Amino acid sequence: ETGVTQTPRHLVMGMTNKKSLKCEQHLGHNAMYWYKQSAKKPLELMFVYNFKEQTENNSVPSRFSPECPNSSHLFLHLHTLQPEDSALYLCASSQIAGPKNIQYFGAGTRLSVL
Amino acid sequence: TQLLEQSPQFLSIQEGENLTVYCNSSSVFSSLQWYRQEPGEGPVLLVTVVTGGEVKKLKRLTFQFGDARKDSSLHITAAQPGDTGLYLCAGLDYKLSFGAGTTVTVRA
Repeated sequence: ETGVTQTPRHLVMGMTNKKSLKCEQHLGHNAMYWYKQSAKKPLELMFVYNFKEQTENNSVPSRFSPECPNSSHLFLHLHTLQPEDSALYLCASSQIAGPKNIQYFGAGTRLSVL
Repeated sequence: TQLLEQSPQFLSIQEGENLTVYCNSSSVFSSLQWYRQEPGEGPVLLVTVVTGGEVKKLKRLTFQFGDARKDSSLHITAAQPGDTGLYLCAGLDYKLSFGAGTTVTVRA
């Protein structure tokens, strides 16, 4: 138990569906992150939020829409995804944003796009 | 081209054997982290090495940072089935960059 909880753990969706991934952290951290993990590829940082403000968007397609209503919750809204978006989506949190701060990861949501 | 190359990509060994995985780059990092990701879980930080030539030990795991701070290795002595997982290295400069990982399977 890392203190970062992601739901759902598994998600199958069609390309025309709309779904959302949820992340909640119980560590009192102020920064939250979304990563994409594909087989045989490095973790790709997607978005960073610091004190609820988005501080980084790494050229992520607009079909991925993040939302951070408070420092403890992070959502990733998905719509009209493509099969190549199938991957493990990991959420992480740290005390504040920045690569020097230790990140704690959730177990991820395994997404399959049909 | 990946910033951090990890090798081998896959490693399967018998319980009790030793193993070494490598993390190489042409870039210099201020520090380097090693994570283990068990099946169905997220990555968990094992260690951070900061100084060139630094060696850190965590029970049966030995981590070394290259003198030039471009590469690192992880050595596991007398591997156990509980060591099974994906080992990720991540280099820190102005951002954290991950390698693709080495999948280690330790057979009982």
